[in-house]
Amino acid sequence: NAGVTQTPKFQVLKTGQSMTLQCAQDMNHNSMYWYRQDPGMGLRLIYYSASEGTTDKGEVPNGYNVSRLNKREFSLRLESAAPSQTSVYFCASRESGLLTQYFGPGTRLTVL
Amino acid sequence: GQSLEQPSEVTAVEGAIVQINCTYQTSGFYGLSWYQQHDGGAPTFLSYNALDGLEETGRFSSFLSRSDSYGYLLLQELQMKDSASYFCAVRDNPGGYNKLIFGAGTRLAVHP
Repeated sequence: NAGVTQTPKFQVLKTGQSMTLQCAQDMNHNSMYWYRQDPGMGLRLIYYSASEGTTDKGEVPNGYNVSRLNKREFSLRLESAAPSQTSVYFCASRESGLLTQYFGPGTRLTVL
Repeated sequence: GQSLEQPSEVTAVEGAIVQINCTYQTSGFYGLSWYQQHDGGAPTFLSYNALDGLEETGRFSSFLSRSDSYGYLLLQELQMKDSASYFCAVRDNPGGYNKLIFGAGTRLAVHP
């Protein structure tokens, strides 16, 4: 039981490049979330998915897109990376009816 | 706007007790959670308060006063491994999505 996994762990992009951050959970959770964490700040919600086939914008969705590929996987895409998107990205999942969110190890992204 | 305020840093000695406060101003309130994050790690769930009062889980306790829009995390018998950042987070909606708004975090340093 791996919990929530994220790939890659580290990534460096040039401005304008695109990439997809992958997230998968093996806990059969319905809800999944993408957050970003900047130095000295808390986690800010980018997008979330209440169930397979549904996604909704969070607090800071601009510049991102998401796909809930199936119940296990929730990916985050940067179509044209900008230096302001340099951050640590965390994926999380939650079991229906419970409050605890389980976080993945994070992806450290630098955009030059 | 929505905001959560918590001290940026707290220092304590091993074996002592420390209290980390959190005040919130949100459009809705449906519970206060606390998460712990070690440097380079993922946030992990510590506790949750939906109603006023004290919740105890081992060495950690969390308190909520909804009338004061205030809560705190109490850590007793501090250990070196408790050195980490602690985030309060408010659930601001009653729906099933459990969207959380996070504070900026309190960095706790425990010294021998």
